[in-house]
Amino acid sequence: GEEVAQTPKHLVRGEGQKAKLYCAPIKGHSYVFWYQQVLKNEFKFLISFQNENVFDETGMPKERFSAKCLPNSPCSLEIQATKLEDSAVYFCASSQSFRGDEQFFGPGTRLTVL
Amino acid sequence: GENVEQHPSTLSVQEGDSAVIKCTYSDSASNYFPWYKQELGKGPQLIIDIRSNVGEKKDQRIAVTLNKTAKHFSLHITETQPEDSAVYFCALNSGNTPLVFGKGTRLSVIA
Repeated sequence: GEEVAQTPKHLVRGEGQKAKLYCAPIKGHSYVFWYQQVLKNEFKFLISFQNENVFDETGMPKERFSAKCLPNSPCSLEIQATKLEDSAVYFCASSQSFRGDEQFFGPGTRLTVL
Repeated sequence: GENVEQHPSTLSVQEGDSAVIKCTYSDSASNYFPWYKQELGKGPQLIIDIRSNVGEKKDQRIAVTLNKTAKHFSLHITETQPEDSAVYFCALNSGNTPLVFGKGTRLSVIA
């Protein structure tokens, strides 16, 4: 597609439940990025992929967060045993390359953990 | 890691006036500097970007300037309109690092 698509738009989970978010990058883009935006507008990088391979996962809280980009499937970000502090908007972005190329963002998924 | 300071955090201007937002950084290896506009409930939208081999870039009412020596870059919006009201983010990356964002500037254009 011509735009980055993210589903669902909103997700509500009880503390301790699992949350799974999906992202379809722009067709032809090889790189996918996940960012977390918390209430004070700050963006935190989580993980990036080059096609189906993890490129950089330095931002991932590894004990509960995992992500995948499989061929012919939307990319996914999964949070096991959600915590209150996981409440945020999660954005996916895609780009044609990693170095200095435009990253285009999706509309985000708002996760609320109660 | 790299840190980006963005100022001001809020900015109110009268319609038709200009708005300027400035970001400073510390890593001289940074070489790509995009600006994003985020409206309420939406994802960031890339509005302009500049690379380290260029000092200025303009697209209609929007311009970005880069001073690599002083390590700062600025967004300039001229003839502001109410629809320019949004939160604006500067960002940068260097080599293989992910984008690092400033903390945003909430711009209000008063009609």
